[in-house]
Amino acid sequence: DTGVSQDPRHKITKRGQNVTFRCDPISEHNRLYWYRQTLGQGPEFLTYFQNEAQLEKSRLLSDRFSAERPKGSFSTLEIQRTEQGDSAMYLCASSLAISGSFGEQFFGPGTRLTVL
Amino acid sequence: QQQVKQSPQSLIVQKGGISIINCAYENTAFDYFPWYQQFPGKGPALLIAIRPDVSEKKEGRFTISFNKSAKQFSLHIMDSQPGDSATYFCAAAKRGSTLGRLYFGRGTQLTVWP
Repeated sequence: DTGVSQDPRHKITKRGQNVTFRCDPISEHNRLYWYRQTLGQGPEFLTYFQNEAQLEKSRLLSDRFSAERPKGSFSTLEIQRTEQGDSAMYLCASSLAISGSFGEQFFGPGTRLTVL
Repeated sequence: QQQVKQSPQSLIVQKGGISIINCAYENTAFDYFPWYQQFPGKGPALLIAIRPDVSEKKEGRFTISFNKSAKQFSLHIMDSQPGDSATYFCAAAKRGSTLGRLYFGRGTQLTVWP
């Protein structure tokens, strides 16, 4: 399968614990995005990378959230000291952006986080 | 503040009928309007997208109509099938060298009865 993959698919954790999610984009894609989706809502943008550079962060991304894309390939999203309000589906997307425009975003299956 | 407003929230259509979902936006800098389809437990999948230099784009049974002056766009699903039952999201974005985020509507849950 050459699509966007995410791991794990499901994560249950207790409040206060740290969690880390991984996203592997489509191999030639230079942009990688993280979105959060709560029940009954559309995805909300969190942050995105072009290669290894983090170019934009939403104000939804509190200090407890950190994302990395160290070698411009896979990315990790870490949530520290999880809260019940962090329960959501975390979606990763990737695209091939050529100068002056961006390509279509392809989404992974998501990681469903439940904070007890 | 919701940048893209979508309606209806839910839609029930009989098999063979036409499903119509509407979206509106305020930011005139938006110039890319995709529609995504999402099945339960899956990530959104790009269905069809339009840029504002055209008023309509058709791909198979799916058509986007775009009204730039009204800042509205809609998805039409012709000959709706039970397999089309899913949640549909409209979105908008600004092209450009640095800003690539998508702004999504809240979604429309479509049910097609056989």
